[in-house]
Amino acid sequence: AQRVTQPEKLLSVFKGAPVELKCNYSYSGSPELFWYVQYSRQRLQLLLRHISRESIKGFTADLNKGETSFHLKKPFAQEEDSAMYYCALRSSGNTGKLIFGQGTTLQVKP
Amino acid sequence: NAGVTQTPKFQVLKTGQSMTLQCAQDMNHEYMSWYRQDPGMGLRLIHYSVGAGITDQGEVPNGYNVSRSTTEDFPLRLLSAAPSQTSVYFCASTHDGGSYEQYFGPGTRLTVT
Repeated sequence: AQRVTQPEKLLSVFKGAPVELKCNYSYSGSPELFWYVQYSRQRLQLLLRHISRESIKGFTADLNKGETSFHLKKPFAQEEDSAMYYCALRSSGNTGKLIFGQGTTLQVKP
Repeated sequence: NAGVTQTPKFQVLKTGQSMTLQCAQDMNHEYMSWYRQDPGMGLRLIHYSVGAGITDQGEVPNGYNVSRSTTEDFPLRLLSAAPSQTSVYFCASTHDGGSYEQYFGPGTRLTVT
């Protein structure tokens, strides 16, 4: 079964602290994984995708096939990082479908 | 480009009423999807389309219908609204079925009483 799990509903950190948002997936084959972010009163938008191996707004995510994980990390959290974060897996087949995790709310306190 | 647009932004329905949520995109994307967002459940796929005239069911299709008569439009119909359909609905589109970015609409917040 194809599944994405984000075990934390809420992650609360202080400004300047490191952040790690956890994501685990279940998929047979080579997964394609994404992180989407939803800031308050804004629409959902792509943050980063694993195939690009990029850093966006200081965030990085490494695909670990052995642990079936794609955790999102940032060394120093900023207040503007407060948002809902979704990990997503591209469903098999050329359909444009994404399978989302439950989402984690990141709260960065001043 | 307006991107992905959705109307209405808010809607309140009584149980048993029907309505259509509108979604349109002006990016000439072939792939369009409808998701619902519920607390603790993430986004769940309702229906999707890989091109005009082609639709298929997602994870939670019961109680919803879709059609795709044009590339631009992908309306979602609630046949007989139920309180369990209270949710935020998002429409999304993407260039193809591969690793391209999905573009989301602003959402429709629906309450069924």
